[in-house]
Amino acid sequence: QLQLQESGPGLVKPSETLSLTCTVSGGSISSSSYYWGWIRQPPGKGLEWIGSIYSSGSTYSNPSLKSRVTVSVDTSKNQFSLKLSSVTAADTAVYYCARHGPGATFDPWGQGTLVTVSS
Amino acid sequence: SYVLTQPPSVSVAPGQAARITCGGNNIGSKSVHWYQQKPGQAPVLVVYDDSDRPSGIPERFSGSNSGNTATLTISRVEAGDEADYYCQVWDSTSDHVVFGGGTKLTVL
Repeated sequence: QLQLQESGPGLVKPSETLSLTCTVSGGSISSSSYYWGWIRQPPGKGLEWIGSIYSSGSTYSNPSLKSRVTVSVDTSKNQFSLKLSSVTAADTAVYYCARHGPGATFDPWGQGTLVTVSS
Repeated sequence: SYVLTQPPSVSVAPGQAARITCGGNNIGSKSVHWYQQKPGQAPVLVVYDDSDRPSGIPERFSGSNSGNTATLTISRVEAGDEADYYCQVWDSTSDHVVFGGGTKLTVL
């Protein structure tokens, strides 16, 4: 079955760019009608959608983060990526990747990766 | 922007029914999805499109959506249902995903 796995640095310095990759296995990221998204969860808090990319390359992002977010896809590697610029301690969170359809049903999810912003 | 409001906590005795609400302006016109998240784990989809269940989710989990409130109902609650539950929609007017703040379900 489809599986997603996040990877990237667990520690990022303030003002730098957070970069994460989600590797998709058990299916093609080029499949039509699916979006590939990023969600985060600060410690002890709720879920926050960051952004999504459609298989065609169209992107959508949370307006509160939009100016700092870049979501991209690499079909040759069956991966999609997140870049979040100018990070602060408030960006410390567990970051999840997930697939969703047009109705934004997120399933499945990756296991999540903790990213800490600290000098 | 669209806002979803959930009660911070709900408590229920084992064997009883738990109802978790999700409020939003005319939410009945949107498709609502529900996720269960246990400590240290990724969220799991338990109800989608208001009332459908993914394969493998017990029939005890059901959903409804009308007017300004969507509801997740867990019948015959078990200790293993203790978790955080989140509602979520796609706001088509702005092409944004919105999550509710989450509800902690405690089984007494």
